[in-house]
Amino acid sequence: GENVEQHPSTLSVQEGDSAVIKCTYSDSASNYFPWYKQELGKRPQLIIDIRSNVGEKKDQRIAVTLNKTAKHFSLHITETQPEDSAVYFCAATPLGGGFKTIFGAGTRLFVKA
Amino acid sequence: DTGVSQNPRHKITKRGQNVTFRCDPISEHNRLYWYRQTLGQGPEFLTYFQNEAQLEKSRLLSDRFSAERPKGSFSTLEIQRTEQGDSAMYLCASSLVAVFEAFFGQGTRLTVV
Repeated sequence: GENVEQHPSTLSVQEGDSAVIKCTYSDSASNYFPWYKQELGKRPQLIIDIRSNVGEKKDQRIAVTLNKTAKHFSLHITETQPEDSAVYFCAATPLGGGFKTIFGAGTRLFVKA
Repeated sequence: DTGVSQNPRHKITKRGQNVTFRCDPISEHNRLYWYRQTLGQGPEFLTYFQNEAQLEKSRLLSDRFSAERPKGSFSTLEIQRTEQGDSAMYLCASSLVAVFEAFFGQGTRLTVV
């Protein structure tokens, strides 16, 4: 069945360093890839997304890359800050054949001051 | 608050009881999604509505689960004969047809004792 694998499960970085989270997906029909940030006890919030017709997208300190051939996509956070500490989820959605978004298991990011 | 609203926020119930959760999406959003999230995992897709039509259901949604969106606005998720394995956070999200960004509610945390 459809699956999204996310690595690493935990990531600890020093403030100011970069953080990279990687995901792979199995459903070749997936063509929309959102990333969500979830702070403890709060709702998931979309931080960036990318569609399959784009290879890279950047929004300030956050960037996402997509390799559709390899079915890989990654989240890059530069100049990390303590408030970036949270759980990050990648997801894959087939927009044409339904909207069953499949989420990765999450990456818990710790940014040490 | 114009975001997605879910009620109740917390529900504790005895095994075997029925429970019903409500989701009020963002007012102009015609797509509505239900997800289940257990500790340390990403949200798992349960079902999705476009207006009042339930267009897709996950295999996770057993016969004890039923969801409705009678007027294409709010939605309810009912779990009959609850089991301890149903304990989880139940998240609702909504989006527009033309824009794929989904906004999540704060969830209903169900504990079955």
